[in-house]
Amino acid sequence: GENVEQHPSTLSVQEGDSAVIKCTYSDSASNYFPWYKQELGKGPQLIIDIRSNVGEKKDQRIAVTLNKTAKHFSLHITETQPEDSAVYFCAAREEYGNKLVFGAGTILRVKS
Amino acid sequence: GAVVSQHPSWVICKSGTSVKIECRSLDFQATTMFWYRQFPKQSLMLMATSNEGSKATYEQGVEKDKFLINHASLTLSTLTVTSAHPEDSSFYICSAMGRAPSPYEQYFGPGTRLTVT
Repeated sequence: GENVEQHPSTLSVQEGDSAVIKCTYSDSASNYFPWYKQELGKGPQLIIDIRSNVGEKKDQRIAVTLNKTAKHFSLHITETQPEDSAVYFCAAREEYGNKLVFGAGTILRVKS
Repeated sequence: GAVVSQHPSWVICKSGTSVKIECRSLDFQATTMFWYRQFPKQSLMLMATSNEGSKATYEQGVEKDKFLINHASLTLSTLTVTSAHPEDSSFYICSAMGRAPSPYEQYFGPGTRLTVT
C-alpha cells in the first residue's frame, strides 16, 4: 500500500519568510495529493491540492509542486503570517478506494 | 458549500458504556464516508470506509465489533464505540466524499473529542 513521508516534523520561520514542507510517496499509481492545515482541536482543512497530471498549482501565498518521476511533492508558503502557525499534513490518494494516506505532519511556527 | 458536521463535538463517558458519534454532510450527498482517529501530536489514522447502503470496510487492526459504523443515508454516518475503555479516548474525525462539488476531495468534519473515564 501507499506510504507517505513528510519532512520536517517542525519548522520555525520568521514572519514574512517562506516555508517549505516536503513529502514523498511510494505508490506511483497515486493520483491526487492534498495538503491540509489543522489547528488545535479542529478538523483538517484543505488548503490546496494537486492532481497527478499537473506539475504546479498556486493559490495566492500557497503553492504546491509535484514531481511524479521522483514521487515527491512540496508545499510552499510565502510571506508567512502568525496565523499560518498550525500543523500541516500532506496526503496521497491511493488509486483504488479513494483512501487518503497521510504524512506524519509538520508543526509550523511563524514568529512575529 | 461542502460542509460536514459532527455531533457531539466532545463527549465524556464512563468505562464500559457505549457512545455514538454522528457525521453529517450538510449540503451534498456523501456516497463515501471515512472515519479517522487521531491521538495527540500524531497523524490521522483511517479506521474504516463506508459506502451508503453497504457494510463498512475496516482497516487492519481496527475491531469492527468495537467500532460500529452505519452509513444509512447519503447524508449521515454514525460511529458507535461499544464498551468504551480509557484507551479509546481520542479525537475522532469523519470525512465525506461525493460526486459533487468535487469527486476527488474529502471534506472533513470538525472532529469529536472522546474521553473515557
